[in-house]
Amino acid sequence: DVKVTQSSRYLVKRTGEKVFLECVQDMDHENMFWYRQDPGLGLRLIYFSYDVKMKEKGDIPEGYSVSREKKERFSLILESASTNQTSMYLCASSLSPTGANVLTFGAGSRLTVL
Amino acid sequence: SQKIEQNSEALNIQEGKTATLTCNYTNYSPAYLQWYRQDPGRGPVFLLLIRENEKEKRKERLKVTFDTTLKQSLFHITASQPADSATYLCAPSGSGNTPLVFGKGTRLSVIA
Repeated sequence: DVKVTQSSRYLVKRTGEKVFLECVQDMDHENMFWYRQDPGLGLRLIYFSYDVKMKEKGDIPEGYSVSREKKERFSLILESASTNQTSMYLCASSLSPTGANVLTFGAGSRLTVL
Repeated sequence: SQKIEQNSEALNIQEGKTATLTCNYTNYSPAYLQWYRQDPGRGPVFLLLIRENEKEKRKERLKVTFDTTLKQSLFHITASQPADSATYLCAPSGSGNTPLVFGKGTRLSVIA
């Protein structure tokens, strides 16, 4: 089974802090994604990557950046955390650039910004 | 713009009955329609995928239909159990490298 591991399940940070959310997948997947999930808004795509050192903006990239230095690792960075970034963050990966993009998700990282 | 609507935010049914969840989409011509299950505080888990040329797909007590004319997918759970209680998300998808966009989900509660 593919595993997507998110480094932290729960984080509490202060406004203005830099926050790193790490995601690692163990099955050589090409594609990796970061979503955030908020009540009433559903899953929204922040950034994605189809290859090492490649990144694409999703629907809500403002206030975020990403890094993909190795194929298995995709990091989400909040340069200066704000209270409106309090959310559940979900990392996902998928195998193939062709066919259906079936996602395997991590368990999620719940971030609270005070 | 592309829009995905799942019929209701919450659905309550009695144990043993069939649950039917609806996913409607507009401004899309998806090649696939995917369904995921999400338990509280956890990431979504892939359940089923149906292709545009398939009318129906089954997996154990789950059945999915896909009507490209109506732009709708129905997700059925037969003989529902309390353990089926979760949020179910649909995601129409194209082929190739298109990121998934999800509906907001339907929270299903199966009451014993």
